Amino acid sequence: AQSVTQLGSHVSVSEGALVLLRCNYSSSVPPYLFWYVQYPNQGLQLLLKYTTGATLVKGINGFEAEFKKSETSFHLTKPSAHMSDAAEYFCAVTPGGVANFGNEKLTFGTGTRLTIIP
Amino acid sequence: KAGVTQTPRYLIKTRGQQVTLSCSPISGHRSVSWYQQTPGQGLQFLFEYFSETQRNKGNFPGRFSGRQFSNSRSEMNVSTLELGDSALYLCASSLGTRGNLLGYGYTFGSGTRLTVV
Repeated sequence: AQSVTQLGSHVSVSEGALVLLRCNYSSSVPPYLFWYVQYPNQGLQLLLKYTTGATLVKGINGFEAEFKKSETSFHLTKPSAHMSDAAEYFCAVTPGGVANFGNEKLTFGTGTRLTIIP
Repeated sequence: KAGVTQTPRYLIKTRGQQVTLSCSPISGHRSVSWYQQTPGQGLQFLFEYFSETQRNKGNFPGRFSGRQFSNSRSEMNVSTLELGDSALYLCASSLGTRGNLLGYGYTFGSGTRLTVV
């Protein structure tokens, strides 16, 4: 079974400051990990994902995340916040590996609402 | 190319009624998943259809059902609506193969907001 914990339901940062959104996961098998962003009245947009290979992954809009197996974490960062980054962010996990083909439902965290202070 | 299209965008229904929501995936995508999003429960997986067959199912009562057509379009149905069914229902499409997850992940539609009164 998989689960995701996002620490901090609300995060506020000043424009130009570092953005750090935390995500810890639990998985009995190697996970595939995702970050999605949701703007008001819209669906989810994929920011980035980790499946295999390089543990530091870069996504759209200047975001990146690092998979740390020893810490079971997949924190999302952006060096300099922009007003357009204000949105809700969701971390998600699905079981990885060939053995789990066909069992690819996403388990989401509860989300973190990011506010940017001008 | 066109994204995932969900219709209608908004619905208001009365308790006890039933409702059908529609999702048209990206052309060529064979997998369609449905999620319910509420402030209290967050995003929860309902079910996934792949090549017209339900491949995965979440922990929702039997009032929630779905189907997929040969053109990969999917519908979900909720019967005997309850106030607690008020939510944003999101559809996500993917190629449905492991290679897709490695490359593209899921693409979500804008959702259908259902209000039960």
